[in-house]
Amino acid sequence: ETGVTQTPRHLVMGMTNKKSLKCEQHLGHNAMYWYKQSAKKPLELMFVYSLEERVENNSVPSRFSPECPNSSHLFLHLHTLQPEDSALYLCASSQVQGAGYGYTFGSGTRLTVV
Amino acid sequence: GNSVTQMEGPVTLSEEAFLTINCTYTATGYPSLFWYVQYPGEGLQLLLKATKADDKGSNKGFEATYRKETTSFHLEKGSVQVSDSAVYFCALLSTGNQFYFGTGTSLTVIP
Repeated sequence: ETGVTQTPRHLVMGMTNKKSLKCEQHLGHNAMYWYKQSAKKPLELMFVYSLEERVENNSVPSRFSPECPNSSHLFLHLHTLQPEDSALYLCASSQVQGAGYGYTFGSGTRLTVV
Repeated sequence: GNSVTQMEGPVTLSEEAFLTINCTYTATGYPSLFWYVQYPGEGLQLLLKATKADDKGSNKGFEATYRKETTSFHLEKGSVQVSDSAVYFCALLSTGNQFYFGTGTSLTVIP
């Protein structure tokens, strides 16, 4: 365990379903991130939260909706997804936004949209 | 703009072989450079980093030197082990505090 826990590890959902991904860290970090990892593509930054405020949204479709209720928890709510949204979704945290000593990543949620 | 380009894999090596994974970058200003490693079924872990030109990052026998003149940060290891099999990501942290990752290079080490 790295200190960032993601659940579930695997998720299969239909295009009409609604599901949520959860990320939790107890490292005392103030910034949290959602990344999408697709095969043969660079990691795509989706959302950034710093001190529970969203500071960046990189043109992510509205079928992805993040929520950060406190500095330890981050959610990604999913609805009416498309098959091309199938990917590994990684959560990361850092002490402050853009910390130069790197991020701590979770193990990811492998999402399959059918 | 900022971007990272790393060699495409997959790379397959025999145990104790020498490893080089190339990484070049484009950046405005003076970024910090990183290598992350992703073992099967896990998230990314920081492997090493360098924050300024000519710095050498090292960890677990891996090394990379920040070369400003060639805008490169190649990862090397003198003798790989089966346990080094993973996907390796080169990344830069821009002066605007955003990470840019490469596409990842898959390494398989066979006994």
